[in-house]
Amino acid sequence: KQEVTQIPAALSVPEGENLVLNCSFTDSAIYNLQWFRQDPGKGLTSLLLIQSSQREQTSGRLNASLDKSSGRSTLYIAASQPGDSATYLCAVRPDNFNKFYFGSGTKLNVKP
Amino acid sequence: EPEVTQTPSHQVTQMGQEVILRCVPISNHLYFYWYRQILGQKVEFLVSFYNNEISEKSEIFDDQFSVERPDGSNFTLKIRSTKLEDSAMYFCASSEDRVPTNYGYTFGSGTRLTVV
Repeated sequence: KQEVTQIPAALSVPEGENLVLNCSFTDSAIYNLQWFRQDPGKGLTSLLLIQSSQREQTSGRLNASLDKSSGRSTLYIAASQPGDSATYLCAVRPDNFNKFYFGSGTKLNVKP
Repeated sequence: EPEVTQTPSHQVTQMGQEVILRCVPISNHLYFYWYRQILGQKVEFLVSFYNNEISEKSEIFDDQFSVERPDGSNFTLKIRSTKLEDSAMYFCASSEDRVPTNYGYTFGSGTRLTVV
């Protein structure tokens, strides 16, 4: 069974800092990996989707990388802003299964 | 931007009662899903649905759960006899294909179910 781990569990940074969130997964046989943002008590907002054949995806200040063979992905946030404060979830879709396994998330607080 | 819509946003029910959670997936999507998140825990897969039948389900999705697409737009999750441990946020999601390419899965904003 796929296990997804996110480190750190929580992170507090001053506004303007660049930061990296980490995601690791135990089974490298994945089809794709998706990063989501979750605000308190709210739904999941898709940020970036990386197919297993891709190394990275970028959207604005966000860059996600994937190293499938080592079972790792990172989400890089440039020039963080207080509005980036949320929980960031990593989700992995295994080969041959149409479902995601989620990590526990990294709770990010960006201080003004 | 197209959205997955879930109603109600919050439902309180008594233990043993039946509840129906409703979702309107994105109109041209073909695959539909339910996930849940118990407070403080990971988001976990419940079921996927395609072509009017369940395509995959987790061990959580036992006989008390059922899904249905009663018409061309709605997708529902029914919990027949709710238990305290069913209290969670339930998310509906949809995807254009079994293997979403560009946009992945789109999730709704969730229904918070509280069983008392």
